[in-house]
Amino acid sequence: KNQVEQSPQSLIILEGKNCTLQCNYTVSPFSNLRWYKQDTGRGPVSLTIMTFSENTKSNGRYTATLDADTKQSSLHITASQLSDSASYICVVNLNTGFQKLVFGTGTRLLVSP
Amino acid sequence: DVKVTQSSRYLVKRTGEKVFLECVQDMDHENMFWYRQDPGLGLRLIYFSYDVKMKEKGDIPEGYSVSREKKERFSLILESASTNQTSMYLCASRAPTRDRLNYGYTFGSGTRLTVV
Repeated sequence: KNQVEQSPQSLIILEGKNCTLQCNYTVSPFSNLRWYKQDTGRGPVSLTIMTFSENTKSNGRYTATLDADTKQSSLHITASQLSDSASYICVVNLNTGFQKLVFGTGTRLLVSP
Repeated sequence: DVKVTQSSRYLVKRTGEKVFLECVQDMDHENMFWYRQDPGLGLRLIYFSYDVKMKEKGDIPEGYSVSREKKERFSLILESASTNQTSMYLCASRAPTRDRLNYGYTFGSGTRLTVV
């Protein structure tokens, strides 16, 4: 069964600290993996996309890693800011004709002053 | 940037009412999607459309229908709203294959529907 699991479910960190969110997937055939940020009451916004051959990709203070062998990805947030408070969703794209998306349930991050 | 606009941020409807959720995208994308998002379940695909007047069932189509009369507009219809359809509804538009790696899916801001 195609599944995407994220951990932790929720996380509280102090402003300025770093944190790492985890994503494990059992999706086949794999096409690519995206991390989305979803502010409360808003739609998800793409942060990074990684294909099978990519190990690391950065977008400002966000750095995503992908280990296609172990089927794990992580999102590292550096020097967190209050505006980083949001849900972070890991989404894997199936490499099928239609390229269906498989969503994780997200990690809710709260950055505290 | 692609813009996906959902007409209502919040809606409150009564059980049994017919409900229309509207979604418009401004980039001439062929593919459009409707998801619902519930706590602990993630996003689940209700319906999608490859192109005008085309529609396909997603994973949870029961109780819903859709309409795609124009390329830019994709409507989700709850024929007879029920309390278990209280949820956050997200519309998305997908870039064509040549742009998909860079642009992928663009989501609207969502409509939080409460059925009482």
